[in-house]
Amino acid sequence: DAKTTQPPSMDCAEGRAANLPCNHSTISGNEYVYWYRQIHSQGPQYIIHGLKNNETNEMASLIITEDRKSSTLILPHATLRDTAVYYCIVRVAANSGYALNFGKGTSLLVTP
Amino acid sequence: DGGITQSPKYLFRKEGQNVTLSCEQNLNHDAMYWYRQDPGQGLRLIYYSQIVNDFQKGDIAEGYSVSREKKESFPLTVTSAQKNPTAFYLCASSRKGWDTEAFFGQGTRLTVV
Repeated sequence: DAKTTQPPSMDCAEGRAANLPCNHSTISGNEYVYWYRQIHSQGPQYIIHGLKNNETNEMASLIITEDRKSSTLILPHATLRDTAVYYCIVRVAANSGYALNFGKGTSLLVTP
Repeated sequence: DGGITQSPKYLFRKEGQNVTLSCEQNLNHDAMYWYRQDPGQGLRLIYYSQIVNDFQKGDIAEGYSVSREKKESFPLTVTSAQKNPTAFYLCASSRKGWDTEAFFGQGTRLTVV
């Protein structure tokens, strides 16, 4: 199963873009990259996912490198409500069904 | 509104007692999951179910049991055999397939005293 590596914490000024990196150097060809976030004491919330193309939705953009070994989640204009733990996840292989394998994520602090 | 509901939000139990956490979804999802989260840690998979009347152990199933008698319900029982049951428990559901997002409930915080 592919593992992910994320920095434990990051800061970002309100209104600026937040760029959250993730390394997944052992990802296999059919594994998707997912991003979730968890605001304190709540359930995780889906943000975005992709296979190899860059993706954008109303919440964020996902940039995946051509070799698929790393990706970056971009929150274009961070607000204080974006303060949360962000999880980069590579979908686990068949032995865990369709379960998501969460690590410790990156704790993003957006400051005024 | 469609969604996934966990109840109760907070639960207190005495050591040695079994306790059952509820998880219900009306999203018509086939797959359901239970995760455990300890302070400052990521989520760890306890059990998962891909279809009614079938479930599989996750990474930390010891001391827990589940049932999946109905598509919309996946209750988790924390038994007295679980050594450190105090934690935040999260239930999730998804359609089948690798290209599907999971929806999470708001969690149940269990405290065993």
